[in-house]
Amino acid sequence: DTAVSQTPKYLVTQMGNDKSIKCEQNLGHDTMYWYKQDSKKFLKIMFSYNNKELIINETVPNRFSPKSPDKAHLNLHINSLELGDSAVYFCASSQDLQSYNSPLHFGNGTRLTVT
Amino acid sequence: KNQVEQSPQSLIILEGKNCTLQCNYTVSPFSNLRWYKQDTGRGPVSLTIMTFSENTKSNGRYTATLDADTKQSSLHITASQLSDSASYICVVSVSNDYKLSFGAGTTVTVRA
Repeated sequence: DTAVSQTPKYLVTQMGNDKSIKCEQNLGHDTMYWYKQDSKKFLKIMFSYNNKELIINETVPNRFSPKSPDKAHLNLHINSLELGDSAVYFCASSQDLQSYNSPLHFGNGTRLTVT
Repeated sequence: KNQVEQSPQSLIILEGKNCTLQCNYTVSPFSNLRWYKQDTGRGPVSLTIMTFSENTKSNGRYTATLDADTKQSSLHITASQLSDSASYICVVSVSNDYKLSFGAGTTVTVRA
């Protein structure tokens, strides 16, 4: 069973389009995240939700809007896609926000290519 | 300047050899440090975690060390295997803060 699953795995689209990435976790975790990994492999936090409540909202353009219908799901909607949005987006979950026994469990990523 | 610096950026080793990856951090106050392994096309997976009071932690052929005084950690891979080819990411958490500080990772390539 996949613990954190995100779809689609690959997404190729044109500038200006709107797209969504879905994420689901079956670990019973309270906290979910979206990370962006750029071409240099650097992982950067975008958003964090704890029990459906937005906790972390880094400096991300308003074109990115997360939605958490329940604590097992955290979707990412992106409006008016730009070339610079091309990256790999990772969904992750953890038991809670910050504790010793709470590693991040990552999905396998969505490679977004904007042409 | 990133608060978590990893070195080297990449390395190539022969199968069966050992290697050591470095992680230096400046984040404060320190809570814990994790090493993650990221296989190509996959998400990172936690290998080890260490708190301030822990100097060494092993997970199979992976051994992590921590010197909280000098703010340095290392990840030693013993008798490398082809499956060890991956990126290894150092992640430091701060006390009383939700945010994590990520290193840029070290890419390890193991060749037969």
